[in-house]
Amino acid sequence: EDQVTQSPEALRLQEGESSSLNCSYTVSGLRGLFWYRQDPGKGPEFLFTLYSAGEEKEKERLKATLTKKESFLHITAPKPEDSATYLCAVQAEFSNQFYFGTGTSLTVIP
Amino acid sequence: EAGVTQFPSHSVIEKGQTVTLRCDPISGHDNLYWYRRVMGKEIKFLLHFVKESKQDESGMPNNRFLAERTGGTYSTLKVQPAELEDSGVYFCASSQWAGANVLTFGAGSRLTVL
Repeated sequence: EDQVTQSPEALRLQEGESSSLNCSYTVSGLRGLFWYRQDPGKGPEFLFTLYSAGEEKEKERLKATLTKKESFLHITAPKPEDSATYLCAVQAEFSNQFYFGTGTSLTVIP
Repeated sequence: EAGVTQFPSHSVIEKGQTVTLRCDPISGHDNLYWYRRVMGKEIKFLLHFVKESKQDESGMPNNRFLAERTGGTYSTLKVQPAELEDSGVYFCASSQWAGANVLTFGAGSRLTVL
C-alpha cells in the first residue's frame, strides 16, 4: 500500500538554526514526490517536485533531496516567516492520486 | 490568474442535514480533485474529474457523498445526510495535466457536523 510518513510531527527552531524534515515513503513505482507548504486557514502551496533518486531542488532557504526511500527538506538559517506546516506527498506510477503525509508543523522563533 | 476558489469557507450543520460545497478551478484546468483532511489525519484523496467525467472516485467514503462537475467547469460535492465523522476540511485542487504535475489547491471548506 502506498504510504507517506513524515517526521517530526512538530519542530521548533530558533531563527537561524538550520534543520531537516523527513519524509519516508512506500510507493509502487514513484512518479513524483512533492513538497507543499501550508499556512493556517489556507490550502497547501506547491514548493518542489522530485522525480528520481539523487535529485535536488532549491528555493531560497529550502532544499529538497530524494533517495529511493525518503526525502528531506533542509531549511537553512530559517526565519519566522518560514513557520508553517510542510507536507510531503507522493504520486505513484499509473495513478493520479496523491498520497500525503500528516505534515511537520514548523515554528521559527525570533 | 485567479486561483482555485472554494465556498463556503466554513459550514456548520446538524447531523442529518445536507451540505453542498463548491469549487471553481483555475480556468483551463481539465483536472479537478477533491481531497479531505479529517482532524489529526493526513489529507486523503476523494475523487478526480477530467473535464466532466469522473476518472477515479475510489476515495469517496460512501454513497452519502455525491460529486458533480457539469460542463467541466466548477464542481460541487454534496453530503447527504451528513454524519459526525464527515467533519473536516474539504480541499479542491486543479491541474492542467493528470501526470506528475503540480496541484493548485483552494483554501478549503471546513465542515463541522454537530
